[in-house]
Amino acid sequence: GQQVMQIPQYQHVQEGEDFTTYCNSSTTLSNIQWYKQRPGGHPVFLIQLVKSGEVKKQKRLTFQFGEAKKNSSLHITATQTTDVGTYFCAVSSGSARQLTFGSGTQLTVLP
Amino acid sequence: EAGVAQSPRYKIIEKRQSVAFWCNPISGHATLYWYQQILGQGPKLLIQFQNNGVVDDSQLPKDRFSAERLKGVDSTLKIQPAKLEDSAVYLCASSFIISGETQYFGPGTRLLVL
Repeated sequence: GQQVMQIPQYQHVQEGEDFTTYCNSSTTLSNIQWYKQRPGGHPVFLIQLVKSGEVKKQKRLTFQFGEAKKNSSLHITATQTTDVGTYFCAVSSGSARQLTFGSGTQLTVLP
Repeated sequence: EAGVAQSPRYKIIEKRQSVAFWCNPISGHATLYWYQQILGQGPKLLIQFQNNGVVDDSQLPKDRFSAERLKGVDSTLKIQPAKLEDSAVYLCASSFIISGETQYFGPGTRLLVL
């Protein structure tokens, strides 16, 4: 099945610092989605990237899809305590119609 | 718009017992997914339905897990008999159509097998 690696596994930042999580695949992806899961909560959709080199922004969040469509990143500028949670990438490729989730990056923001 | 509903929210059982989870997707969503999320890991797809047909159940442990969506709306996931390693959160999600669409997750059922 589809393999996707997400790094880092954990990240502790001081409030106001930036944060980046990376998602890497050995195969070319059809699309990639990013989800956020608050502690004790369920995954909530953030964004979907489809095009090579695509960059999308949502307020302080910037999402990028690599030129080769094998990797992606999520960058948060000036983190806030409300950003706490685990960020997952979810990928699909080729004829596969299911999403494969990465292992997630757990973000802790220290006030 | 009402979200994905799941019940129960919590369940504690002993190993070798059976358990069932229920999910009602967002109205009009043709595709329904069941995921297993073990603590510290990402959700793992167990089974995917489109309407009342199975699209993918390749990761469903069919010797003990079963799922159905008889009328193409709500769905049940059953484990019989449960093992200790089945302790996890079982998430149901739905999407309007298949293949790359945004998935909307329910609150999940937290299962503890003792």
